[in-house]
Amino acid sequence: GQQLNQSPQSMFIQEGEDVSMNCTSSSIFNTWLWYKQDPGEGPVLLIALYKAGELTSNGRLTAQFGITRKDSFLNISASIPSDVGIYFCAGQLRGAQKLVFGQGTRLTINP
Amino acid sequence: EAGVAQSPRYKIIEKRQSVAFWCNPISGHATLYWYQQILGQGPKLLIQFQNNGVVDDSQLPKDRFSAERLKGVDSTLKIQPAKLEDSAVYLCASSPSSDTPHYGYTFGSGTRLTVV
Repeated sequence: GQQLNQSPQSMFIQEGEDVSMNCTSSSIFNTWLWYKQDPGEGPVLLIALYKAGELTSNGRLTAQFGITRKDSFLNISASIPSDVGIYFCAGQLRGAQKLVFGQGTRLTINP
Repeated sequence: EAGVAQSPRYKIIEKRQSVAFWCNPISGHATLYWYQQILGQGPKLLIQFQNNGVVDDSQLPKDRFSAERLKGVDSTLKIQPAKLEDSAVYLCASSPSSDTPHYGYTFGSGTRLTVV
């Protein structure tokens, strides 16, 4: 089936640093989504992207839909302790309804 | 608006036993999804319902997993018999429509299953 390769798998940063993570696929996606999952909870949607080249922000988060439709990037600026968690990318194929998730990026912040 | 409710939160069973999980979606949401999330991985879709009909169950191990959504509201996911590799978090999600699933696509907190 379709797979998303998300990197890095984990990040250890200092509070205040910027964070970048990305997702790539061999398949073309119609929609890219970024979720955050806290321990013991389900994923929560952060940003949704619908068009190739689209750049969308949500507070300190910025995500981009790659021009090839096969990748996406998420940046977090000026990280704070509550940014700790696991970030997942997810893609929706054209004509399909289900979401395909990446493996996740675990973000740890040292105060 | 109440979220997606799931129970139980945790379950520990021995292999070859049976287990069932329950999900109550957000009121009025037509589409319901069950995902399996193995530790260290992203969620993987098991089955998708539109009202009380199955839309996609291509990744559901049908020899041991079954799911139903009677009356198009609550849903149950059953595993019989369970294997060690079924240890995972089972997430339920719902959305108002299957056309644009990411709109209002809300996940529950999940049921963590441990098979020993």
